[in-house]
Amino acid sequence: QKEVEQNSGPLSVPEGAIASLNCTYSDRGSQSFFWYRQYSGKSPELIMFIYSNGDKEDGRFTAQLNKASQYVSLLIRDSQPSDSATYLCAVTHGEMGALIFGKGTTLSVSS
Amino acid sequence: KAGVTQTPRYLIKTRGQQVTLSCSPISGHRSVSWYQQTPGQGLQFLFEYFSETQRNKGNFPGRFSGRQFSNSRSEMNVSTLELGDSALYLCASRVGPDGYTFGSGTRLTVV
Repeated sequence: QKEVEQNSGPLSVPEGAIASLNCTYSDRGSQSFFWYRQYSGKSPELIMFIYSNGDKEDGRFTAQLNKASQYVSLLIRDSQPSDSATYLCAVTHGEMGALIFGKGTTLSVSS
Repeated sequence: KAGVTQTPRYLIKTRGQQVTLSCSPISGHRSVSWYQQTPGQGLQFLFEYFSETQRNKGNFPGRFSGRQFSNSRSEMNVSTLELGDSALYLCASRVGPDGYTFGSGTRLTVV
């Protein structure tokens, strides 16, 4: 059974702080890793994807992948109240496989 | 550039009825996948179509089916509706492995 695990939260951080979101996956054959953000009542929105071990940065967001530990994380620097949402980790097995989602971590950024 | 369009946005059906949901992908995207989102189970993969062929299928009963047309538009059908089928149904399209773009979803309520 391919599983993706996330801490459901809520994760609460003050405005301007770094938010760290974590995700583990069980299938060593997983090749692509995605972070989606979902606001209440809205559909998921892609924030970042990462394929290779290491870090990938995009603005205030950094995705980190460690395939040996089967671990992927998302760092949000200078957190803003508008970042308050549920963050979904997803992986695919193979380049063109289906997305397998974790149940998401709720982030709350207080001003 | 138009996004992924799902219709209808909201639907109320009675147990035992059937329902058809529609998804128009982003122009040029040939892969369309469907997901069910519920508070308890999170986002779960239903199936994926590429060039009118079902390429992957999730662990859902046969009451859930889909198809894709030559213009890449896709429909999913749920027959003999059950109360537990109440969910947000999301369609996503992609052109390559770099992430899926989701539509706004169809909120199905079965009464």
